[in-house]
Amino acid sequence: EPEVTQTPSHQVTQMGQEVILRCVPISNHLYFYWYRQILGQKVEFLVSFYNNEISEKSEIFDDQFSVERPDGSNFTLKIRSTKLEDSAMYFCASSANNEKLFFGSGTQLSVL
Amino acid sequence: AQSVAQPEDQVNVAEGNPLTVKCTYSVSGNPYLFWYVQYPNRGLQFLLKYITGDNLVKGSYGFEAEFNKSQTSFHLKKPSALVSDSALYFCAVRVYGGSQGNLIFGKGTKLSVKP
Repeated sequence: EPEVTQTPSHQVTQMGQEVILRCVPISNHLYFYWYRQILGQKVEFLVSFYNNEISEKSEIFDDQFSVERPDGSNFTLKIRSTKLEDSAMYFCASSANNEKLFFGSGTQLSVL
Repeated sequence: AQSVAQPEDQVNVAEGNPLTVKCTYSVSGNPYLFWYVQYPNRGLQFLLKYITGDNLVKGSYGFEAEFNKSQTSFHLKKPSALVSDSALYFCAVRVYGGSQGNLIFGKGTKLSVKP
């Protein structure tokens, strides 16, 4: 079965630094998402992306966050100036137009 | 406010016995409901969804879920559990008026199936 791949699996950064989390969605999918899960808490929606623009974002997705699909295959999440509370597992997901999401294995982001 | 509740942190079942993982929801309008499973070091995997139609939905790996509108529940079931079903199970509901993929997840229920 096709998979969503995320790199790196672990990312450690200093507070205030910029990080870019990378994802390769399934090739024929049109909808792309980022979710996060802070340790011990629920999986939370961050943003959805369709037709090269953000279709929806949550309150968590403030000006420090941005997403991009720089080429035909990658989908990235950038955090401009990381904070301690950004430490979480970040999941990328993609879907066709059928409500079925395929998730990557996640990137564990640790902000020190 | 829209929400999903999974009242059990953990469910323990003997292999071969039926299993139920509970989920209740609170959402405006008609709910779009989902179950996802997470195995260790893997992303969430889609199991099944309810959008409309028959209240009993069949999904992957022999799982099924029953939508009960009056009880606002969407419990996950399987007639005969396997050890390999041991994993973390998440119930989710699509945000009313939100785009595809804008889901609210429950906190997850750890299913442990013992031989």
